[in-house]
Amino acid sequence: DQQVKQNSPSLSVQEGRISILNCDYTNSMFDYFLWYKKYPAEGPTFLISISSIKDKNEDGRFTVFLNKSAKHLSLHIVPSQPGDSAVYFCAASAMRGSTLGRLYFGRGTQLTVWP
Amino acid sequence: GAGVSQTPSNKVTEKGKYVELRCDPISGHTALYWYRQSLGQGPEFLIYFQGTGAADDSGLPNDRFFAVRPEGSVSTLKIQRTERGDSAVYLCASSPRGGNEQFFGPGTRLTVL
Repeated sequence: DQQVKQNSPSLSVQEGRISILNCDYTNSMFDYFLWYKKYPAEGPTFLISISSIKDKNEDGRFTVFLNKSAKHLSLHIVPSQPGDSAVYFCAASAMRGSTLGRLYFGRGTQLTVWP
Repeated sequence: GAGVSQTPSNKVTEKGKYVELRCDPISGHTALYWYRQSLGQGPEFLIYFQGTGAADDSGLPNDRFFAVRPEGSVSTLKIQRTERGDSAVYLCASSPRGGNEQFFGPGTRLTVL
């Protein structure tokens, strides 16, 4: 069963606009969430993360929002750039203390940013 | 510095054969993870090492899969009697002690004919 779900397989956005990628999870034990970006033939690259004690984390053009009651998180990219075109994976973990164990991944959303 | 490296980048084998996939983590990283990614799916956890020992091997699909990390650095994923369903990209990641992200290698694409 898929404990992390990304229900939109693809998203197309014009350059300069906001991209919003969504993710839902079912396991209430998850307390740490990450977003990865993946280009073809490369491994996933870490983008941004958020702990369950926060509801927002920002890093430059990237902001992640966490709604624990809805078990939902989203990644906002503003402004979107053509180089952002990639597959974005949402991942979750149940951290035990400070140890980051296994990650549960969604199926990914293909973001295309067009000029 | 050097990232996570994986060899080979591609491996084609025949059904029933044995394969070994190698992962070199980032120097000094204590944790090492193996995932596999099938087409259209996200990475799926296989096993996680903390140092030399397997801290969590609950993702290994069956006893044909085995992984070792004898000196707490390089790891080898071993697959016996390969099946066509084992075809996937096998990803390795590492993390420093207390780290809050996993750094991934480029993966090994395994094709079982």
